[in-house]
Amino acid sequence: DAKTTQPTSMDCAEGRAANLPCNHSTISGNEYVYWYRQIHSQGPQYIIHGLKNNETNEMASLIITEDRKSSTLILPHATLRDTAVYYCIVRVESSNYKLTFGKGTLLTVNP
Amino acid sequence: DSGVTQTPKHLITATGQRVTLRCSPRSGDLSVYWYQQSLDQGLQFLIQYYNGEERAKGNILERFSAQQFPDLHSELNLSSLELGDSALYFCASSLAYSSDTQYFGPGTRLTVL
Repeated sequence: DAKTTQPTSMDCAEGRAANLPCNHSTISGNEYVYWYRQIHSQGPQYIIHGLKNNETNEMASLIITEDRKSSTLILPHATLRDTAVYYCIVRVESSNYKLTFGKGTLLTVNP
Repeated sequence: DSGVTQTPKHLITATGQRVTLRCSPRSGDLSVYWYQQSLDQGLQFLIQYYNGEERAKGNILERFSAQQFPDLHSELNLSSLELGDSALYFCASSLAYSSDTQYFGPGTRLTVL
């Protein structure tokens, strides 16, 4: 699986959009970008994943650059409950048994 | 609520002891994964079971073992416990052998004194 680089921490004001970047410059053509988050000491939670097109679901949007070397997770209207560690994971879809978590980004949403 | 349950929530024990952590996957999920999260190592994959059979092993110590029962619940057995085994242990489940989405339980916090 390709390695990812994320900022250690970020702050966001409540109600504003939170944009979390992830670099994955060594991503292969068949690798997807996944995002999970972990609210303090709870189990990780799946957010979204995508290959090259932008994706949106009820939780977030995922923007992947055209060269696929980086991506951004967007929480459109961050709330205090979105404070968590966000993990960007790159892996081949449905072909690997495990998730390899890095250190992630601690997003703190401030009132 | 992910639908994955883990018991107990907290466990405090002494070095050298043995403990068993239990996980019930989401209804219908056949695959169970165990992860360990410690302060210095982050989230690490330990082992995966699919429909009762071991499918993959990660960084699991020989002192640790797991199994998945016919009703699909799984147990992680940790023996000869050391201080360094203190961690959060998460169970996750998914429908298939290799799924995009793994659903994580709330975890068991193990403290070894």
